[in-house]
Amino acid sequence: KQEVTQIPAALSVPEGENLVLNCSFTDSAIYNLQWFRQDPGKGLTSLLLIQSSQREQTSGRLNASLDKSSGRSTLYIAASQPGDSATYLCAVRNNNNDMRFGAGTRLTVKP
Amino acid sequence: EAEVAQSPRYKITEKSQAVAFWCDPISGHATLYWYRQILGQGPELLVQFQDESVVDDSQLPKDRFSAERLKGVDSTLKIQPAELGDSAMYLCASSLGLAATGELFFGEGSRLTVL
Repeated sequence: KQEVTQIPAALSVPEGENLVLNCSFTDSAIYNLQWFRQDPGKGLTSLLLIQSSQREQTSGRLNASLDKSSGRSTLYIAASQPGDSATYLCAVRNNNNDMRFGAGTRLTVKP
Repeated sequence: EAEVAQSPRYKITEKSQAVAFWCDPISGHATLYWYRQILGQGPELLVQFQDESVVDDSQLPKDRFSAERLKGVDSTLKIQPAELGDSAMYLCASSLGLAATGELFFGEGSRLTVL
């Protein structure tokens, strides 16, 4: 059974700092990995999707990497802003279409 | 931009009452999911539909929860009777399915509070 872990559970940084969020998974036979953002009391917003054949995806100040062999993905946020404050979740889809979520990293960017 | 629609956004009910949530996926998305998210945790799958067929309901508490997607478009999730432990965010998501990118899109969720 796939298990997805996100460390740290919470992170607080000053505005302007570059930061990395981590996601690890136990079964490397994945179909894709997706990063989401969730604001308090809201649904999940898709940020980046990485297919199993890809190494990274970029969107604006966000860059996500995938290393299947080591069971790890990172989400890099450049020049963080207070508006980036949210919970970031990663989700791993296996080849059998089963999708597992991490518990998320709660990010606070201080002005 | 196409969105997954959910209603109601908030629902407060007393235990033993019935409650229902509705979801309309992005047009053309064959796969529809219902997730439950407890505060501070990631979403957990309750049921997955492919068109009108259930493909995974192994985590759905079938003694009190039911879900349907009769015409393969919108879906309803029902809880009867509601229990205190059912208080959570109920999220609906849809995707084109593995034949495409498999990207998952979520609605805004329905927050349930059981008193």
